[in-house]
Amino acid sequence: EAQVTQNPRYLITVTGKKLTVTCSQNMNHEYMSWYRQDPGLGLRQIYYSMNVEVTDKGDVPEGYKVSRKEKRNFPLILESPSPNQTSLYFCASSSLAGDGTDTQYFGPGTRLTVL
Amino acid sequence: AQSVAQPEDQVNVAEGNPLTVKCTYSVSGNPYLFWYVQYPNRGLQFLLKYITGDNLVKGSYGFEAEFNKSQTSFHLKKPSALVSDSALYFCGANNLFFGTGTRLTVIP
Repeated sequence: EAQVTQNPRYLITVTGKKLTVTCSQNMNHEYMSWYRQDPGLGLRQIYYSMNVEVTDKGDVPEGYKVSRKEKRNFPLILESPSPNQTSLYFCASSSLAGDGTDTQYFGPGTRLTVL
Repeated sequence: AQSVAQPEDQVNVAEGNPLTVKCTYSVSGNPYLFWYVQYPNRGLQFLLKYITGDNLVKGSYGFEAEFNKSQTSFHLKKPSALVSDSALYFCGANNLFFGTGTRLTVIP
């Protein structure tokens, strides 16, 4: 089954404690991205990756890092989380190189709370 | 700044009635337009997209959307709403710009 998986699904942490949210897709997609969803603000792109070892900033990259060492995985790293990073996070992937023409497949979401 | 707008936070419609969820965009060039649906505790699911061609696009679950270039709109429609259509709907352009979402409630 084609899918995008994220772990963990729920996470409560404290300010400053480094964390990683994993994302994996089994569709051999080149393009992967991370979004955060906040009430009244919709989805905002954090980072995206066009292929292995190619990453770039989205609209709201501050406080986040990503890596793309393998095609299937695209972890989101919060080196020093802060309460304003409390949000619902989605990973997504698509088969084309991010020109917007192909359909994105979304993961189930990770609800992060930073105290 | 480029953006996508969904002017209605909430849309209520009676079961069996037609529904419309509005979307307008302000994106340069000829954007690719998408609609996604989000059910509770789930990720976004693709409904339909417009790239070029016929202005009326048909998608999943009986939904369709009408592209209007002069009004820069891409409204989502369905002729007869089902209770199971109740969800959060997002409009997007180029998979980069998303609206803030519209919560659709279909009343039995």
